[in-house]
Amino acid sequence: RKEVEQDPGPFNVPEGATVAFNCTYSNSASQSFFWYRQDCRKEPKLLMSVYSSGNEDGRFTAQLNRASQYISLLIRDSKLSDSATYLCVVVLNAGKSTFGDGTTLTVKP
Amino acid sequence: EAGVAQSPRYKIIEKRQSVAFWCNPISGHATLYWYQQILGQGPKLLIQFQNNGVVDDSQLPKDRFSAERLKGVDSTLKIQPAKLEDSAVYLCASSLTGTGRGDTQYFGPGTRLTVL
Repeated sequence: RKEVEQDPGPFNVPEGATVAFNCTYSNSASQSFFWYRQDCRKEPKLLMSVYSSGNEDGRFTAQLNRASQYISLLIRDSKLSDSATYLCVVVLNAGKSTFGDGTTLTVKP
Repeated sequence: EAGVAQSPRYKIIEKRQSVAFWCNPISGHATLYWYQQILGQGPKLLIQFQNNGVVDDSQLPKDRFSAERLKGVDSTLKIQPAKLEDSAVYLCASSLTGTGRGDTQYFGPGTRLTVL
């Protein structure tokens, strides 16, 4: 079993749709959680950190469920520019990072 | 602020040859990471440096891969000899402290390696 698992998709949604991605992790000692975005043939870039109480940044909402060991990302009012691969990242206390394989989102007009 | 620099951007070699990649992190960043990203997969951590010490290299194939970060600044990753399955993008990232919580990793553009 992989340490971090994501539904690879692809998710194909129309503009304006709401879409949610989940990510599960296996190591209960994981301390920090992030979502990164990666455009085709580009490097990953931080989208947002994920905090225990949940957090929101504009149209993006991230949630953490430690009991069930999963994190989620919700995108509201999808834009064409949201088309990308979304990578879930889990960090152990010592700082070791594990990336999921990503979920691909395509937003269509 | 200058980002993470990597070179070369592209490299094509034949199997059993050797290759080296270079990374210059963001100034002042203590932690440097090397990742391997195979097409269709997420980045896999190869080695993590805190200043010039190794924090984690558990997934580095040490029989063929080596990395160093002299003086705690820039770093080189070497593959010798290369195998077909080493074809991937090699990403370098840096972060301010590397302690994990709230510590953003900034990635360079990567080196795309093709092994023929």
